[in-house]
Amino acid sequence: DIQMTQSPSSLSASVGDRVTITCQASHDISKYLNWYQQKPGKAPELLIYDASNLETGVPSRFSGRGSGTNFSFTINSLQPEDFATYYCQQYKSLPTFGGGTKVEIK
Amino acid sequence: QVQLVQSGAEVKKPGSSVKVSCKASGGTFSSNTINWVRQAPGQGLEWIGGLIPMLATPAYAQKFSDRVTINVDASTSTAYLELHSLGLEDTAVYFCARGPVAPAAGDRWNLYYYMDVWGKGTTVTVSS
Repeated sequence: DIQMTQSPSSLSASVGDRVTITCQASHDISKYLNWYQQKPGKAPELLIYDASNLETGVPSRFSGRGSGTNFSFTINSLQPEDFATYYCQQYKSLPTFGGGTKVEIK
Repeated sequence: QVQLVQSGAEVKKPGSSVKVSCKASGGTFSSNTINWVRQAPGQGLEWIGGLIPMLATPAYAQKFSDRVTINVDASTSTAYLELHSLGLEDTAVYFCARGPVAPAAGDRWNLYYYMDVWGKGTTVTVSS
């Protein structure tokens, strides 16, 4: 299995801040990486696919980049509705998720 | 827009089996992937396995491969997850999710891609 390591596991930020989360793969996964947002008690929602492509309807303050083993996910100008947990997921082989990053209000 | 409607909460004894269903309302699974993902209390997401109906053969994460069955009834657009030999550690919310088939690529054999339509989840509690 390809292991996905996200960091940090949690962070505190304020509305308007820029937030960056990283995801490292145990093997080269090219661009085969997706990002999800999950709010408490809800199913995850797809935000970004293929490392950098924004899903339809997702605000442009969300972005992703990277390839190979190192990826990042950024929220520019954090909004109140963005406080949630974010997961990366690789699909170079059968899907595996990172451990998640909880974004909390400072 | 397709919605995935999952069956209700289950309470099971250790050693028993559970079967969870996921019906596609307003659409089908035929040209998509079906995925099952679980989330233990306070934990992250874990892919259990999936099925691509047009290929018929399911795929399972190695951790579950000896005690999971995933299938689909195309006539009712309903997917099923059956997990056997339940332990306390199987207490979790089980999600079904639909996604497209990944485009063919020379450096990748896997066809499970992203998951863009999710059910609301089914809580399975394993307790003696």
